[in-house]
Amino acid sequence: AQSVTQPDIHITVSEGASLELRCNYSYGATPYLFWYVQSPGQGLQLLLKYFSGDTLVQGIKGFEAEFKRSQSSFNLRKPSVHWSDAAEYFCAVVVGNQFYFGTGTSLTVIP
Amino acid sequence: EPEVTQTPSHQVTQMGQEVILRCVPISNHLYFYWYRQILGQKVEFLVSFYNNEISEKSEIFDDQFSVERPDGSNFTLKIRSTKLEDSAMYFCASTLGPNQPQHFGDGTRLSIL
Repeated sequence: AQSVTQPDIHITVSEGASLELRCNYSYGATPYLFWYVQSPGQGLQLLLKYFSGDTLVQGIKGFEAEFKRSQSSFNLRKPSVHWSDAAEYFCAVVVGNQFYFGTGTSLTVIP
Repeated sequence: EPEVTQTPSHQVTQMGQEVILRCVPISNHLYFYWYRQILGQKVEFLVSFYNNEISEKSEIFDDQFSVERPDGSNFTLKIRSTKLEDSAMYFCASTLGPNQPQHFGDGTRLSIL
């Protein structure tokens, strides 16, 4: 069965520090991969996506993610975190017509 | 930029009552979805809808749930006889095609009393 794992439930970083949120997936072939962000009381906003080609993809708000087939990972990174980045981050895999979401990583940014 | 809109933002309903959650997908999108997020838990797929019929549904989407596209713009989720455990955020999403990024609405918070 397909699954998405986000091992870190909660991460706290200082403003200006770098960030990496981990995501691992379980799927036989290379899936389509996404990262979404959810601010409190808001819906899900797409940060970036990977379908094929260059394994390093750039997204909005200065985020990037790298697909590593050998590790079945699609980690999200940002070189310098801003206070407004505090939110819940979800990794997702789409297989056919169905999205599978990870359990999310809650990001706290401290001054 | 076009958005998916959902109404109401918050719905409070007595247990056993029927509730209809409404969504207006992006106008040129063809695939429509409902998801549920129980407080503190992950987003769970409920159902996908294409060409006026359900294309996939999860085990959560049992007989108390139904979806409809009553006209060219709305996409609704009906819960026939609500239970306490139906309390959650319900998100609608739409996309141009399968495997494409889904655009989400801001959700409807459903509270069952």
